[in-house]
Amino acid sequence: EAGVAQSPRYKIIEKRQSVAFWCNPISGHATLYWYQQILGQGPKLLIQFQNNGVVDDSQLPKDRFSAERLKGVDSTLKIQPAKLEDSAVYLCASSSRAEGLTGELFFGEGSRLTVL
Amino acid sequence: AQRVTQPEKLLSVFKGAPVELKCNYSYSGSPELFWYVQYSRQRLQLLLRHISRESIKGFTADLNKGETSFHLKKPFAQEEDSAMYYCALMNAGGTSYGKLTFGQGTILTVHP
Repeated sequence: EAGVAQSPRYKIIEKRQSVAFWCNPISGHATLYWYQQILGQGPKLLIQFQNNGVVDDSQLPKDRFSAERLKGVDSTLKIQPAKLEDSAVYLCASSSRAEGLTGELFFGEGSRLTVL
Repeated sequence: AQRVTQPEKLLSVFKGAPVELKCNYSYSGSPELFWYVQYSRQRLQLLLRHISRESIKGFTADLNKGETSFHLKKPFAQEEDSAMYYCALMNAGGTSYGKLTFGQGTILTVHP
């Protein structure tokens, strides 16, 4: 079974530029999550989708971050404009509803963003 | 607000020694607790959950509601246990299933 796919793996940008990350979840997984992991910290949930609807985006900085999952499959996370403090690894995860209820999320390898 | 604390950033033990990774939480409702692990160059993955009361790779963890702790233990550490370990909490009810709050993580190094 193919895992969660993310791209790009690495991205370096200047502050105030924009960046987009892509995620393709495990086939059949209705729930998709974007987590932000700053160096030295645990992952923090940014946004959770159930199919193409947003379940939770309470910790998403909406003035600069946006995310969409238009067809209920793959998803894009965008940052515009980027700030230095956005330097982090952006993890995408997915789960079926049953697995989500049991707390088992399947993570991608992450996209490492460096903002200079 | 829910919070997970892992007081040790780094933990080093020798092979065959017992190991305990500490995790404390604060949560007003009925939490579910998990341990996730990330081995070198691998993805973050679930190790075990308290509700299953299972032993995975020799690791166990008991939820102590009185002390609000969920420490991860293994009686005899192996070199392949070297990894980053995260304790995580999930709201047992509500619509935000799968919403995990992670601790800061503990890097475990098992020396030969």
